[in-house]
Amino acid sequence: SSELTQDPAVSVALGQTVRITCQGDSLSSYYVGWYQQKPGQAPVLVIYGKNNRPSGIPDRFSGSRSGNTASLTITGAQAEDEADYYCNSRDSSGNHVVFGGGTKLTVL
Amino acid sequence: QITLKESGPTLVKPTQTLTLTCTFSGLSLTTSGVGVGWIRQPPGKALEWLALIYWDDDKRYSPSLKSRLTITKDTSKNHVVLTMTNMDPVDTATYYCAHRLPTYDDTFDIWGQGTMVTVSS
Repeated sequence: SSELTQDPAVSVALGQTVRITCQGDSLSSYYVGWYQQKPGQAPVLVIYGKNNRPSGIPDRFSGSRSGNTASLTITGAQAEDEADYYCNSRDSSGNHVVFGGGTKLTVL
Repeated sequence: QITLKESGPTLVKPTQTLTLTCTFSGLSLTTSGVGVGWIRQPPGKALEWLALIYWDDDKRYSPSLKSRLTITKDTSKNHVVLTMTNMDPVDTATYYCAHRLPTYDDTFDIWGQGTMVTVSS
């Protein structure tokens, strides 16, 4: 079982805002990475650190953290944002990497 | 520009040992903070971290798979090798290697395309 908990599925209407969350005891101590994965493709990092976007990631993607919960927010979701989203960080010991179970985002 | 590419067998038999190679360019595993990790994904399932090797040869393994995994690096050849012993059909998955983003704990910013490994007799 993962030490990071994500909702299995979330939906959002086209153009609306959606928040995907990731919960874990370690998140108050370590950075979180957020990844987008489309079918048949490798994951792509979309948010890292406090709220940084790699080059080429649209600014509608943003990240935040409050206590043990990290959030990925998509402001004005587009059809192409429909994908699986994973969070990752370190475990409570700080010695191992963990991934969340993933959230399937549907854009209606 | 950092690139990584996984290579290895597409089919292994149960009980065999899997050896995967991650060949990279655009990064140096002798530079402080750099690391390369392995992550796998069974069909239709979530990502699962396997192992990570750092520039200083520190190695970390998934606690649940630690007894079966070995990760090594060859800086002269620009590659990282992962071996997994006693393969089982449940190990059927796409295996990815990825570059660890320095200073951001163990976030992976660049991923290889992945290589599908099927375990079957």
